[in-house]
Amino acid sequence: GAGVSQSPSNKVTEKGKDVELRCDPISGHTALYWYRQSLGQGLEFLIYFQGNSAPDKSGLPSDRFSAERTGGSVSTLTIQRTQQEDSAVYLCASSLPGQGTMNTEAFFGQGTRLTVV
Amino acid sequence: AQSVTQPDIHITVSEGASLELRCNYSYGATPYLFWYVQSPGQGLQLLLKYFSGDTLVQGIKGFEAEFKRSQSSFNLRKPSVHWSDAAEYFCAVGVSQNFVFGPGTRLSVLP
Repeated sequence: GAGVSQSPSNKVTEKGKDVELRCDPISGHTALYWYRQSLGQGLEFLIYFQGNSAPDKSGLPSDRFSAERTGGSVSTLTIQRTQQEDSAVYLCASSLPGQGTMNTEAFFGQGTRLTVV
Repeated sequence: AQSVTQPDIHITVSEGASLELRCNYSYGATPYLFWYVQSPGQGLQLLLKYFSGDTLVQGIKGFEAEFKRSQSSFNLRKPSVHWSDAAEYFCAVGVSQNFVFGPGTRLSVLP
């Protein structure tokens, strides 16, 4: 596609339910990132995928959070047993590999606004 | 650990006035540096980036930024602000195939 696509754009769920958020990166981008942005806050890194390498999960806040990336393309972020503090905008980004170990710029999707009631 | 600071949480300027948003980073090597803008309800859009070379970089929407190694800074500037520039601005550092973002500066523009 032309840009990073995220779905759904909005999700309201009841506390304790599981949710899945989807990210479709730009075609050919080998790197994919998930960030969380709470109301009025900056971007909190969650997880990073690069090609076929093991993902960097160092930002996941708890074991209720997990993500996978199938076929090196689409990624799903799953939050189990949602809590009210999980309410936030979840942003996905993708990028091409740059020189050496550095990536180029990150292209962001519009985000999924998750509300846990 | 690598970090990015944006000392100003919220800045208000009048339309037509000049703007400077501050960004400082902590990183051992020469960093890749970025400025992103986020309009309400939108994702992040890249304004400009610095990888190497000329330390004054030009971006979209009339923005520019200057990399100062001695001050570990990458401040964003615009000579004349437009009402449509009201948004959240994020500075970021590219670190080992990942990105570290600052907390953001919210810009309000007075008519």
